[in-house]
Amino acid sequence: QQPVQSPQAVILREGEDAVINCSSSKALYSVHWYRQKHGEAPVFLMILLKGGEQKGHEKISASFNEKKQQSSLYLTASQLSYSGTYFCGTCHTGTASKLTFGTGTRLQVTL
Amino acid sequence: NAGVTQTPKFRVLKTGQSMTLLCAQDMNHEYMYWYRQDPGMGLRLIHYSVGEGTTAKGEVPDGYNVSRLKKQNFLLGLESAAPSQTSVYFCASSYSTLTGDYEQYFGPGTRLTVT
Repeated sequence: QQPVQSPQAVILREGEDAVINCSSSKALYSVHWYRQKHGEAPVFLMILLKGGEQKGHEKISASFNEKKQQSSLYLTASQLSYSGTYFCGTCHTGTASKLTFGTGTRLQVTL
Repeated sequence: NAGVTQTPKFRVLKTGQSMTLLCAQDMNHEYMYWYRQDPGMGLRLIHYSVGEGTTAKGEVPDGYNVSRLKKQNFLLGLESAAPSQTSVYFCASSYSTLTGDYEQYFGPGTRLTVT
């Protein structure tokens, strides 16, 4: 079952903040976040692991609530380059790193 | 490093025709995946492989076959294309882990249209 992402779409002015949520009905081991620009491949943003470890390489933060089976991605002081569609991918124990992706959150940052 | 490459980039097929999509990676990754992406549906896993010579079904495997004869290559075949297989296909690869500790690297995609 696909994780549920919310909101489906959001429009921001440059400098504003946004939160994107990802919720699963199954127990999670890790949550991945990717950003995809139109016509391009998804690009890795961050991994959140059970136990609290985070891995990422961009100035974007995220949280992972294991009990609630939820993750949130925090985009602060948004820039025009943040525009795109954000996907969470959930990984469940023993599934050989298979990710189940949400349907995406479309983010548009304007001047 | 080229990363993950896919050929072809675009293809138009007629219903009933067959074709093979090629994915290649030069990062020595054990795991490889094929996804399809349709508007509003996100990425859905078709088949995946945890090593050379092994393949397994994902969420939407019907109508597709795969092979992983070499570690660096993962082929996706459509034996008899149908209009429902019109989509953008992405290949991805990652280091081996059972717990999703490593990111997946995606290829640029193949846009397939079946008429």
